[in-house]
Amino acid sequence: AQSVTQLGSHVSVSEGALVLLRCNYSSSVPPYLFWYVQYPNQGLQLLLKYTTGATLVKGINGFEAEFKKSETSFHLTKPSAHMSDAAEYFCAVTKFNTGTASKLTFGTGTRLQVTL
Amino acid sequence: GAGVSQTPSNKVTEKGKYVELRCDPISGHTALYWYRQSLGQGPEFLIYFQGTGAADDSGLPNDRFFAVRPEGSVSTLKIQRTERGDSAVYLCASSPWTGGMETQYFGPGTRLLVL
Repeated sequence: AQSVTQLGSHVSVSEGALVLLRCNYSSSVPPYLFWYVQYPNQGLQLLLKYTTGATLVKGINGFEAEFKKSETSFHLTKPSAHMSDAAEYFCAVTKFNTGTASKLTFGTGTRLQVTL
Repeated sequence: GAGVSQTPSNKVTEKGKYVELRCDPISGHTALYWYRQSLGQGPEFLIYFQGTGAADDSGLPNDRFFAVRPEGSVSTLKIQRTERGDSAVYLCASSPWTGGMETQYFGPGTRLLVL
């Protein structure tokens, strides 16, 4: 079974400060990892994903994440927070299944607050 | 192009009633997923369709929940004898199927409240 742990249900940063949202996963097979963002009353939007290849993944809106197998982590970062980044962020894991699509297992989410 | 749409956006019902939630996936997407998101939690997988058939329904909590996708496009999630614990946001996602790890595109969800 796969699982995701997101440390910190709420994170508050000042505008312009570094954003760091933590995600650790558990998987018995090589994982595929995702970060989604959810704005109020909206659906989930993909920020970035790691499947294979380069372990540093760049996404939309200036976010990036690094897959660290030795630490079973996939933390999300952004060098400089913007007010528009305030939202709920979800880390998710899945495994690749040959011949079929794959369900996502989500963490409980981290609410990012950006203050002036 | 148009994204995943879900109707209704909000549904209020009484305990014991039957409800249907509809999902219109992105045109051409063969894979369709249903997730449930309870307050303060991440989405939890319910069921996945590849075409018309349910390829994985391991997340359905009990036999009161059922989903169909008769023509391989629109899907309906059906809940019988609703209970207050069914109150949640029900999310639908779709993805193309090309044999790889495709991105799932989510709709805005249906917020179900069982009184």
